[in-house]
Amino acid sequence: QKEVEQNSGPLSVPEGAIASLNCTYSDRGSQSFFWYRQYSGKSPELIMSIYSNGDKEDGRFTAQLNKASQYVSLLIRDSQPSDSATYLCAVTSGSARQLTFGSGTQLTVLP
Amino acid sequence: DTAVSQTPKYLVTQMGNDKSIKCEQNLGHDTMYWYKQDSKKFLKIMFSYNNKELIINETVPNRFSPKSPDKAHLNLHINSLELGDSAVYFCASSGLLNTGELFFGEGSRLTVL
Repeated sequence: QKEVEQNSGPLSVPEGAIASLNCTYSDRGSQSFFWYRQYSGKSPELIMSIYSNGDKEDGRFTAQLNKASQYVSLLIRDSQPSDSATYLCAVTSGSARQLTFGSGTQLTVLP
Repeated sequence: DTAVSQTPKYLVTQMGNDKSIKCEQNLGHDTMYWYKQDSKKFLKIMFSYNNKELIINETVPNRFSPKSPDKAHLNLHINSLELGDSAVYFCASSGLLNTGELFFGEGSRLTVL
């Protein structure tokens, strides 16, 4: 069983729509949750972190965490073509707080 | 100035050769990491160094050896390269060990023929 699971996509949304990216994790004791964005041929870049249940908003991005359901999501409002990238979910777990990445969801925003 | 820099960006080499990738960070971070990203984009940690001490060594073959001359540098040396070593290798750093908030280098694409 994968520790951090994401739909690989591709997910396509029209410009201006809301993009919804989902992630589930297997370790109920996971502590911290992150979303990284990776443009094609580039390195991952941290865009959101969330540590407690609920929503966290930063500009057009909202991270949502539900520890009971072991589920974390990223909403991108007013999606732009420049948001087209692979979004990686990452979770810290265990006594060593090891960071584990999901395999990523490829998002395409169509102009 | 680039925060985390890696050299070289591209390596093409034959099976059986030895190669090194260098990484430097100017963020003043205490922890540095090496990650491997395969063709399916799966990022897997290989090593982390905190204050020059190896903290994590996942199930990585001992052909891979990290070397850290100081806390701003973490180099990766690979012996006897195999086809399956072809991947993009990312160096990263963080201010605290295992916070999850990583700054990545640009990556080094290794192709083994």
